[in-house]
Amino acid sequence: DAGVIQSPRHEVTEMGQEVTLRCKPISGHDYLFWYRQTMMRGLELLIYFNNNVPIDDSGMPEDRFSAKMPNASFSTLKIQPSEPRDSAVYFCASRTGTAAYGYTFGSGTRLTVV
Amino acid sequence: QQQVKQSPQSLIVQKGGISIINCAYENTAFDYFPWYQQFPGKGPALLIAIRPDVSEKKEGRFTISFNKSAKQFSLHIMDSQPGDSATYFCAAGLGATNKLIFGTGTLLAVQP
Repeated sequence: DAGVIQSPRHEVTEMGQEVTLRCKPISGHDYLFWYRQTMMRGLELLIYFNNNVPIDDSGMPEDRFSAKMPNASFSTLKIQPSEPRDSAVYFCASRTGTAAYGYTFGSGTRLTVV
Repeated sequence: QQQVKQSPQSLIVQKGGISIINCAYENTAFDYFPWYQQFPGKGPALLIAIRPDVSEKKEGRFTISFNKSAKQFSLHIMDSQPGDSATYFCAAGLGATNKLIFGTGTLLAVQP
Protein backbone atom coordinates (compact mmCIF):
# COMPACT_ATOMS: atom_id res chain seq x y z
CA ASP A 1 0.00 0.00 0.00
CA ALA A 2 1.52 3.32 -1.07
CA GLY A 3 -0.27 5.28 1.62
CA VAL A 4 -1.90 8.65 1.09
CA ILE A 5 -0.25 10.37 -1.85
CA GLN A 6 -0.14 14.14 -2.13
CA SER A 7 1.19 16.28 -4.94
CA PRO A 8 3.05 18.45 -5.40
CA ARG A 9 5.37 18.20 -2.39
CA HIS A 10 6.31 21.85 -2.72
CA GLU A 11 4.56 24.70 -4.48
CA VAL A 12 5.77 28.26 -4.81
CA THR A 13 3.38 30.67 -6.45
CA GLU A 14 2.80 34.36 -6.78
CA MET A 15 0.04 36.15 -4.98
CA GLY A 16 -3.15 36.12 -6.99
CA GLN A 17 -2.44 32.89 -8.79
CA GLU A 18 -4.60 29.79 -8.58
CA VAL A 19 -3.16 26.85 -6.68
CA THR A 20 -4.41 23.26 -6.84
CA LEU A 21 -3.30 20.64 -4.36
CA ARG A 22 -3.98 16.98 -5.03
CA CYS A 23 -4.59 13.93 -2.90
CA LYS A 24 -5.00 10.23 -3.55
CA PRO A 25 -6.37 8.46 -0.46
CA ILE A 26 -5.69 4.87 0.48
CA SER A 27 -7.84 2.49 -1.53
CA GLY A 28 -10.92 1.48 0.43
CA HIS A 29 -10.81 4.45 2.78
CA ASP A 30 -14.14 6.23 2.64
CA TYR A 31 -13.25 9.31 4.69
CA LEU A 32 -10.91 12.01 3.43
CA PHE A 33 -9.75 15.04 5.40
CA TRP A 34 -7.86 18.17 4.43
CA TYR A 35 -5.78 19.84 7.17
CA ARG A 36 -3.62 22.95 7.18
CA GLN A 37 -0.58 23.25 9.43
CA THR A 38 1.02 26.52 10.46
CA MET A 39 3.29 27.47 13.32
CA MET A 40 0.72 29.86 14.72
CA ARG A 41 -2.40 27.71 14.50
CA GLY A 42 -1.10 24.16 14.41
CA LEU A 43 -3.19 21.56 12.56
CA GLU A 44 -6.57 22.88 11.45
CA LEU A 45 -9.26 20.78 9.83
CA LEU A 46 -10.45 22.48 6.67
CA ILE A 47 -12.98 20.04 5.24
CA TYR A 48 -13.79 16.36 5.20
CA PHE A 49 -15.58 14.02 2.82
CA ASN A 50 -17.41 10.76 3.35
CA ASN A 51 -17.97 8.59 0.29
CA ASN A 52 -16.91 11.54 -1.91
CA VAL A 53 -19.53 13.86 -0.39
CA PRO A 54 -18.41 16.97 1.53
CA ILE A 55 -19.72 16.61 5.08
CA ASP A 56 -18.24 19.54 6.98
CA ASP A 57 -16.50 22.50 5.40
CA SER A 58 -16.77 24.80 8.40
CA GLY A 59 -12.99 25.01 8.64
CA MET A 60 -12.51 26.41 5.15
CA PRO A 61 -11.18 29.89 5.85
CA GLU A 62 -12.67 31.82 2.96
CA ASP A 63 -14.53 31.50 -0.30
CA ARG A 64 -11.14 31.52 -1.99
CA PHE A 65 -10.78 27.93 -0.82
CA SER A 66 -12.67 25.09 -2.45
CA ALA A 67 -12.36 21.31 -2.35
CA LYS A 68 -13.72 18.55 -4.51
CA MET A 69 -13.71 14.80 -4.52
CA PRO A 70 -14.90 13.64 -7.95
CA ASN A 71 -14.27 9.98 -7.16
CA ALA A 72 -13.08 7.71 -4.37
CA SER A 73 -9.44 7.92 -5.40
CA PHE A 74 -8.90 11.63 -5.92
CA SER A 75 -9.46 14.94 -4.20
CA THR A 76 -8.33 18.49 -4.84
CA LEU A 77 -8.00 21.59 -2.70
CA LYS A 78 -7.99 24.79 -4.70
CA ILE A 79 -7.08 28.30 -3.63
CA GLN A 80 -8.07 31.10 -5.98
CA PRO A 81 -6.70 33.73 -5.72
CA SER A 82 -3.84 32.78 -3.43
CA GLU A 83 -2.48 35.17 -0.79
CA PRO A 84 0.78 35.16 1.23
CA ARG A 85 -1.16 34.24 4.40
CA ASP A 86 -2.15 30.97 2.74
CA SER A 87 1.46 29.82 3.03
CA ALA A 88 1.38 26.63 5.08
CA VAL A 89 1.73 22.87 4.85
CA TYR A 90 -1.46 21.25 3.64
CA PHE A 91 -2.11 17.65 4.64
CA CYS A 92 -4.57 15.16 3.31
CA ALA A 93 -5.59 12.20 5.48
CA SER A 94 -7.88 9.25 4.97
CA ARG A 95 -9.42 6.47 7.04
CA THR A 96 -12.03 3.76 6.82
CA GLY A 97 -15.41 4.18 8.42
CA THR A 98 -14.71 1.28 10.75
CA ALA A 99 -11.28 2.42 11.91
CA ALA A 100 -12.53 5.00 14.39
CA TYR A 101 -9.91 7.71 14.29
CA GLY A 102 -7.05 5.80 12.68
CA TYR A 103 -6.17 8.52 10.24
CA THR A 104 -3.34 8.02 7.74
CA PHE A 105 -1.75 11.28 6.69
CA GLY A 106 0.05 12.05 3.48
CA SER A 107 3.45 13.75 3.51
CA GLY A 108 1.89 17.14 2.84
CA THR A 109 2.27 19.94 0.34
CA ARG A 110 4.34 22.91 1.45
CA LEU A 111 2.76 25.98 -0.15
CA THR A 112 4.59 29.27 -0.34
CA VAL A 113 2.78 32.28 -1.75
CA VAL A 114 5.09 35.21 -2.51
CA GLN B 1 -14.91 24.33 23.97
CA GLN B 2 -13.53 22.50 20.95
CA GLN B 3 -9.93 23.33 21.81
CA VAL B 4 -7.27 20.98 23.04
CA LYS B 5 -4.53 22.73 25.00
CA GLN B 6 -1.06 21.18 24.85
CA SER B 7 2.08 21.88 26.84
CA PRO B 8 4.97 22.39 26.80
CA GLN B 9 5.61 23.91 23.40
CA SER B 10 9.09 22.42 23.36
CA LEU B 11 10.98 19.94 25.50
CA ILE B 12 14.59 18.89 25.80
CA VAL B 13 15.33 15.57 27.49
CA GLN B 14 18.52 13.64 27.99
CA LYS B 15 18.82 10.18 26.48
CA GLY B 16 17.33 7.64 28.87
CA GLY B 17 15.12 10.20 30.56
CA ILE B 18 11.34 10.45 30.71
CA SER B 19 9.53 12.82 28.36
CA ILE B 20 6.14 14.06 29.53
CA ILE B 21 3.68 16.02 27.41
CA ASN B 22 0.36 17.20 28.75
CA CYS B 23 -2.99 18.02 27.19
CA ALA B 24 -6.28 19.35 28.49
CA TYR B 25 -9.72 19.58 26.98
CA GLU B 26 -13.10 21.07 27.86
CA ASN B 27 -15.66 19.19 25.81
CA THR B 28 -16.76 16.10 27.72
CA ALA B 29 -18.26 14.69 24.54
CA PHE B 30 -14.80 13.82 23.21
CA ASP B 31 -14.55 10.05 23.09
CA TYR B 32 -11.13 9.27 21.66
CA PHE B 33 -7.73 10.65 22.54
CA PRO B 34 -4.87 9.80 20.19
CA TRP B 35 -1.29 10.96 20.10
CA TYR B 36 0.47 11.57 16.81
CA GLN B 37 4.18 11.72 16.08
CA GLN B 38 5.53 13.87 13.26
CA PHE B 39 9.04 13.86 11.83
CA PRO B 40 10.28 16.74 9.68
CA GLY B 41 8.92 16.60 6.15
CA LYS B 42 6.40 13.91 7.03
CA GLY B 43 2.75 13.81 7.94
CA PRO B 44 1.67 13.01 11.50
CA ALA B 45 1.49 9.28 12.27
CA LEU B 46 -0.70 7.67 14.92
CA LEU B 47 1.42 6.66 17.90
CA ILE B 48 -0.99 5.51 20.59
CA ALA B 49 -4.60 6.23 21.55
CA ILE B 50 -6.96 5.84 24.49
CA ARG B 51 -10.69 5.94 25.15
CA PRO B 52 -12.11 7.70 28.22
CA ASP B 53 -13.17 4.48 29.94
CA VAL B 54 -9.51 3.57 30.50
CA SER B 55 -7.09 5.44 32.79
CA GLU B 56 -3.85 4.22 31.27
CA LYS B 57 -2.59 2.55 28.12
CA LYS B 58 0.93 1.38 27.52
CA GLU B 59 2.60 0.38 24.28
CA GLY B 60 6.29 -0.30 24.62
CA ARG B 61 8.00 2.82 25.94
CA PHE B 62 4.93 4.99 25.31
CA THR B 63 2.18 5.41 27.91
CA ILE B 64 -0.97 7.52 27.90
CA SER B 65 -2.34 8.53 31.28
CA PHE B 66 -5.94 9.74 31.27
CA ASN B 67 -7.71 11.67 34.02
CA LYS B 68 -11.37 11.95 33.09
CA SER B 69 -12.41 14.07 36.07
CA ALA B 70 -9.66 16.60 35.43
CA LYS B 71 -10.17 16.43 31.65
CA GLN B 72 -6.48 15.93 31.15
CA PHE B 73 -4.30 13.34 29.47
CA SER B 74 -0.60 12.97 29.02
CA LEU B 75 2.00 11.10 27.03
CA HIS B 76 4.98 9.59 28.81
CA ILE B 77 7.97 8.39 26.84
CA MET B 78 10.18 6.19 28.98
CA ASP B 79 13.88 5.71 28.26
CA SER B 80 13.74 8.49 25.67
CA GLN B 81 16.00 8.00 22.66
CA PRO B 82 17.41 10.43 20.09
CA GLY B 83 15.19 8.72 17.50
CA ASP B 84 12.17 9.92 19.48
CA SER B 85 13.04 13.52 18.58
CA ALA B 86 9.96 14.74 16.72
CA THR B 87 6.88 16.87 17.14
CA TYR B 88 4.11 15.26 19.16
CA PHE B 89 0.46 16.20 18.85
CA CYS B 90 -2.32 15.22 21.16
CA ALA B 91 -5.81 15.16 19.72
CA ALA B 92 -9.38 14.62 20.76
CA GLY B 93 -12.02 12.93 18.68
CA LEU B 94 -15.72 13.55 18.55
CA GLY B 95 -17.48 10.46 17.28
CA ALA B 96 -20.64 12.19 16.15
CA THR B 97 -18.69 14.54 13.89
CA ASN B 98 -15.83 12.26 12.80
CA LYS B 99 -13.49 15.12 13.58
CA LEU B 100 -10.11 15.13 15.28
CA ILE B 101 -9.15 18.34 17.06
CA PHE B 102 -5.39 18.65 17.45
CA GLY B 103 -3.30 20.33 20.10
CA THR B 104 -0.65 22.82 19.02
CA GLY B 105 2.21 20.34 19.21
CA THR B 106 5.33 19.76 21.31
CA LEU B 107 8.76 19.73 19.75
CA LEU B 108 10.78 17.09 21.57
CA ALA B 109 14.55 16.95 21.35
CA VAL B 110 16.32 14.02 22.99
CA GLN B 111 19.98 14.76 23.49
CA PRO B 112 22.49 11.91 23.27
